[in-house]
Amino acid sequence: SQTIHQWPATLVQPVGSPLSLECTVEGTSNPNLYWYRQAAGRGLQLLFYSVGIGQISSEVPQNLSASRPQDRQFILSSKKLLLSDSGFYLCAWSGPSGIGSEQFFGPGTRLTVL
Amino acid sequence: QQQVKQSPQSLIVQKGGISIINCAYENTAFDYFPWYQQFPGKGPALLIAIRPDVSEKKEGRFTISFNKSAKQFSLHIMDSQPGDSATYFCAASVLTGGGNKLTFGTGTQLKVEL
Repeated sequence: SQTIHQWPATLVQPVGSPLSLECTVEGTSNPNLYWYRQAAGRGLQLLFYSVGIGQISSEVPQNLSASRPQDRQFILSSKKLLLSDSGFYLCAWSGPSGIGSEQFFGPGTRLTVL
Repeated sequence: QQQVKQSPQSLIVQKGGISIINCAYENTAFDYFPWYQQFPGKGPALLIAIRPDVSEKKEGRFTISFNKSAKQFSLHIMDSQPGDSATYFCAASVLTGGGNKLTFGTGTQLKVEL
């Protein structure tokens, strides 16, 4: 069966510090991978998605970047965090394009920028 | 045109009652409509999803009703239980070769009272 992991689970960082959140998927090959952000009491906003190694599409301009160094690894980064980067970050995966439509989410990372 | 509007924002239902959450969309290219359930501090979990070629889909106590002409879809939870208390999100996407990019509604907080 497939599982998706995110770490860390919670993170408190000062403004201006760097960020690296990691997401890994097990039990599947060539998944589509996604990063979402959820602000308190609000819906999910798609930040980045990837259909393959090194292929990243950005959905909204922002202070964040994403990378996919391996097939089942997706990383969200920032060089300098802003207060507005606080939120609940969720990684998700779906089957390769044209095969799987269901999208499954990881447990999330709660980021607080102070 | 990418928006998905969800209502109500919050809902209180008595145990055993029917919970109904509604969503409306504008983009007629959307062809995949999932519903997610999220408990506090957890990632969303896929509940049930529908494609526009059917008007209704039922899985256990959960039913999606889909009205293509009105561009609306709804989630019905029959025999609502206290364990159903959670936030529910509708979403929509266009299944293309570029991945399954979900557009989410703003969520409905459901509370099922004894």
